[in-house]
Amino acid sequence: DQQVKQNSPSLSVQEGRISILNCDYTNSMFDYFLWYKKYPAEGPTFLISISSIKDKNEDGRFTVFLNKSAKHLSLHIVPSQPGDSAVYFCAAGGTSYGKLTFGQGTILTVHP
Amino acid sequence: NAGVTQTPKFQVLKTGQSMTLQCAQDMNHNSMYWYRQDPGMGLRLIYYSASEGTTDKGEVPNGYNVSRLNKREFSLRLESAAPSQTSVYFCASSEVGQDYGYTFGSGTRLTVV
Repeated sequence: DQQVKQNSPSLSVQEGRISILNCDYTNSMFDYFLWYKKYPAEGPTFLISISSIKDKNEDGRFTVFLNKSAKHLSLHIVPSQPGDSAVYFCAAGGTSYGKLTFGQGTILTVHP
Repeated sequence: NAGVTQTPKFQVLKTGQSMTLQCAQDMNHNSMYWYRQDPGMGLRLIYYSASEGTTDKGEVPNGYNVSRLNKREFSLRLESAAPSQTSVYFCASSEVGQDYGYTFGSGTRLTVV
């Protein structure tokens, strides 16, 4: 049972445009959510997080939106840059930053 | 640099061979994890250790064992490797109250032939 799902395996965007990556979850006990970015031959690195008490968190070009009623979160990257090309994983956890459950990942390609 | 160090980076095993993947962190984190990454499957938790002296199974523990040697080190052992264990393995560590969840190592690419 996949508790965290990223239904789009890949996304292609033109440089300067907005990238929107989506993630759905099924477990209502999740209370914090994170996005990680992964380049080839490297480990995932933290990008941005949001707790369930918020519906939006912004950090520079990156904004995460959380819709708890729909059990859906999204990552917006504006403007997209070629260096943003990577695999993006969403992750979810419950209480005090314990175990995280990850989605399948979305490959983002930003074309110059 | 501070962080999570995994060794080796690459390994090829024959079916039935055993090996241990090593992981060490220098951030004084209490919790450590082993994940595997497979195409289309994302990152799946194999085992984790919430604190020194404790270990628990994750989503896909079969065929693996772990040892939390001390607070810094968490090793993953494959006793009898199978082709289905061909994957990229990531170790991670975390601490309660961190906003950024895990710090990951750079991974071990394992091929079982």
